[in-house]
Amino acid sequence: DMKVTQMPRYLIKRMGENVLLECGQDMSHETMYWYRQDPGLGLQLIYISYDVDSNSEGDIPKGYRVSRKKREHFSLILDSAKTNQTSVYFCASSSGDRQNTLYFGAGTRLSVL
Amino acid sequence: GNSVTQMQGQVTLSEEEFLFINCTYSTTGYPTLFWYVQYPGEGPQLLLKVTTANNKGSSRGFEATYDKGTTSFHLQKASVQESDSAVYYCVLGDQGGRALIFGTGTTVSVSP
Repeated sequence: DMKVTQMPRYLIKRMGENVLLECGQDMSHETMYWYRQDPGLGLQLIYISYDVDSNSEGDIPKGYRVSRKKREHFSLILDSAKTNQTSVYFCASSSGDRQNTLYFGAGTRLSVL
Repeated sequence: GNSVTQMQGQVTLSEEEFLFINCTYSTTGYPTLFWYVQYPGEGPQLLLKVTTANNKGSSRGFEATYDKGTTSFHLQKASVQESDSAVYYCVLGDQGGRALIFGTGTTVSVSP
């Protein structure tokens, strides 16, 4: 079954706390992505990973870092979260060619108070 | 730079009405264009894909056509149902880019 799983689905943190969002996929896709979704802005690319330990900044990487130690797993880390990082975060994967289909997880709704 | 623009933020329809969503894009070369759909509580999923080879695509009753001359890409459906209520994203895939570029989305609300 082709699936991207995100954990947790909902998270509330206080400003300054560290946040770990996790994503897994069962399709052996090389490429994985983190996006954030905000009203009126659509989906903005935070980071892209082309394979294990091969990560590249997206359009809005400031305040975020990522880790990919296994092909099936991609983490997004917020060190000292800020209130403007309140958003819905989506992980996606694809088989490498940019023209191929992106498979998205169901998202993590993060609130930073 | 590469970009897509969706001017319609919200579209409200009754069942069986005609849906039309327009999108314009900016890029060099001959891109592949996509429409993704996001239902409430879910992540986006591919609705359909159109390449320069065919200029048209269809899926689940939706049709998309792209016009290289006007750099526009529209999505239409002849008769919508309440289950078509969702956010629709116009998406640009481009040889020179790193990843797909999403428009800001059009929220379609269909009432019974």
